Amino acid sequence: GENVEQHPSTLSVQEGDSAVIKCTYSDSASNYFPWYKQELGKRPQLIIDIRSNVGEKKDQRIAVTLNKTAKHFSLHITETQPEDSAVYFCAGAGGTSYGKLTFGQGTILTVHP
Amino acid sequence: NAGVMQNPRHLVRRRGQEARLRCSPMKGHSHVYWYRQLPEEGLKFMVYLQKENIIDESGMPKERFSAEFPKEGPSILRIQQVVRGDSAAYFCASFPGQGVSEAFFGQGTRLTVV
Repeated sequence: GENVEQHPSTLSVQEGDSAVIKCTYSDSASNYFPWYKQELGKRPQLIIDIRSNVGEKKDQRIAVTLNKTAKHFSLHITETQPEDSAVYFCAGAGGTSYGKLTFGQGTILTVHP
Repeated sequence: NAGVMQNPRHLVRRRGQEARLRCSPMKGHSHVYWYRQLPEEGLKFMVYLQKENIIDESGMPKERFSAEFPKEGPSILRIQQVVRGDSAAYFCASFPGQGVSEAFFGQGTRLTVV
């Protein structure tokens, strides 16, 4: 089955800096890659996703890139703010069922004012 | 996505008791996925259900765990004879169907086994 590795496990940046989180996946059949933000005690919330027919996607300060050949994808957050502090999870899914997600281990992002 | 309702939000059970977790999907969604999140870990897929059918239970422990999604009513995740290692947050995600769309997560049930 699919295996998703996520790095780093913790990331500390100053407000205004950029943050980059990287994930690799093992199953070449995976074709859907969402990123979730989870605040303490709350549910995961989708912040951006990308499908395998696209190499890059951007939404305001958040962007995701996908390299299908190398089987890795990355989350980029620019102009970070303290409210960006949370745990971020990457995930992968394949086939026609995008609900069966394999999650990475998570990255604790701390943005210092 | 406030439409995915899970209850209870917090559940405390003594070792050996049964835990029943409920998930009502968003209106119009007929697919439900259950995930478990151990402390400081990512979410792990448990089971995928459609109305009256278990589609994929490859992530379910072999014993003590069961799930159902009846024709009427919420999806139920049932854990019999709970042990301390079952303490976790259990999330369900609702989906409109196969194809290109986002899964919506409920608020989760935090199970504590004492």
